[in-house]
Amino acid sequence: EVQLVQSGAEVKKPGESLKISCKGSGYSFTSYWIAWVRQMPGKGLEWMGIIYPGDSDTRYSPSFRGQVTISADKSISTAYLQWSGLKASDTAMYYCARPEYGDLGPFDHWGQGALVTVSS
Amino acid sequence: QSALTQPASVSGSPGQSITISCTGTSSDVGGYNYVSWYQHHPGKAPKLMIYDVIKRPSGVSNRFSGSKSGNTASLTISGLQAEDEADYYCSSYTGNSTFGYVVFGGGTKLTVL
Repeated sequence: EVQLVQSGAEVKKPGESLKISCKGSGYSFTSYWIAWVRQMPGKGLEWMGIIYPGDSDTRYSPSFRGQVTISADKSISTAYLQWSGLKASDTAMYYCARPEYGDLGPFDHWGQGALVTVSS
Repeated sequence: QSALTQPASVSGSPGQSITISCTGTSSDVGGYNYVSWYQHHPGKAPKLMIYDVIKRPSGVSNRFSGSKSGNTASLTISGLQAEDEADYYCSSYTGNSTFGYVVFGGGTKLTVL
């Protein structure tokens, strides 16, 4: 069974750094892209970027390029989303998701989400 | 990154049919047959309901169907059931020959009366 298991909820202060994770299992982790999707409180879904763990090829939405860093450690089948200086506006639920095919295919598997709260 | 345009809310009674629209441009919805629809119950992970405009993943009820005309895609749910009450999001591939990404709609809240 394909599973994406994300790290838990985080509460951080503005300016702090953070790295959240998404561990894949039940499939060949290096053969599928992993994307990150943001949902701000009361808002819709936003595609942030995507990584191919096989070779770490990474692409970002124009809205998120330079704001976050996406990485992966294929040795432990885990993808990451990190911030170097959090802002209150980064408060959101973050999902990892796996496209069924290619880098821009439909997301047939999702993580359970990780709530990030940034508040002073 | 411009979101695709969806109605904020739609409603219907059990047994009825409803349609949710998703309007984009020739650079996204109109230009590619890569429109997907997701059902999202609060507190749960989104679930893929339709992909490649009209295809249904294994296990998704045939009460859900997708279509597209020009720059507007649509999700139709027939025989509405209480458990269909959720938020629905469309998504589409967008971009050009050198760079592509995915754009989502703003979401539509479906209320089953």
